[in-house]
Amino acid sequence: DARVTQTPRHKVTEMGQEVTMRCQPILGHNTVFWYRQTMMQGLELLAYFRNRAPLDDSGMPKDRFSAEMPDATLATLKIQPSEPRDSAVYFCASGLGNTGTDTQYFGPGTRLTVL
Amino acid sequence: QKEVEQDPGPLSVPEGAIVSLNCTYSNSAFQYFMWYRQYSRKGPELLMYTYSSGNKEDGRFTAQVDKSSKYISLFIRDSQPSDSATYLCAMSGTTGANNLFFGTGTRLTVIP
Repeated sequence: DARVTQTPRHKVTEMGQEVTMRCQPILGHNTVFWYRQTMMQGLELLAYFRNRAPLDDSGMPKDRFSAEMPDATLATLKIQPSEPRDSAVYFCASGLGNTGTDTQYFGPGTRLTVL
Repeated sequence: QKEVEQDPGPLSVPEGAIVSLNCTYSNSAFQYFMWYRQYSRKGPELLMYTYSSGNKEDGRFTAQVDKSSKYISLFIRDSQPSDSATYLCAMSGTTGANNLFFGTGTRLTVIP
């Protein structure tokens, strides 16, 4: 049963610390998405990649967030320095990149708390 | 104004009730409409997918799209306690848009 995996599942850190979240997309999927979910804003797209190239990161605060895909099996989202307002659940999703639309398969999320 | 608006609820119904969940949107370019279900502490999973206007039925679930009114609905018949979850609508346009615009989600509880 192929699924997206994310690590860590939970992270508590102090303001100013660097946070790295990792995602392993489903094997064979060529699109990867990073979302942030909060009660107030719901799901917000932060960035997405196709064939490891970033296509859209307009939803991401550029001064502190960075997203990369070092290889096809790993996507990372880094926050440096972290702030309390970054507390949220961060989801990674992957898909096949079909034209028009695409089913996105979500991972279980990383629950981040910044104190 | 957000591109997709969804009543956050919460919504509580007795088992067996018909549930109606709705979203409105502002972008007339949206062509693909989806409903995702998210159980507590889990990631969203695709429940229904509809292209353009019309209805689509899958078991107890029916998705409706009214593009003229920019309004989409999800109906759940004979609701079950296992349907208790947050339901998120999502939509996208036609041009290279693999990115989805999500509603904030409606939290549903079906009481046995």
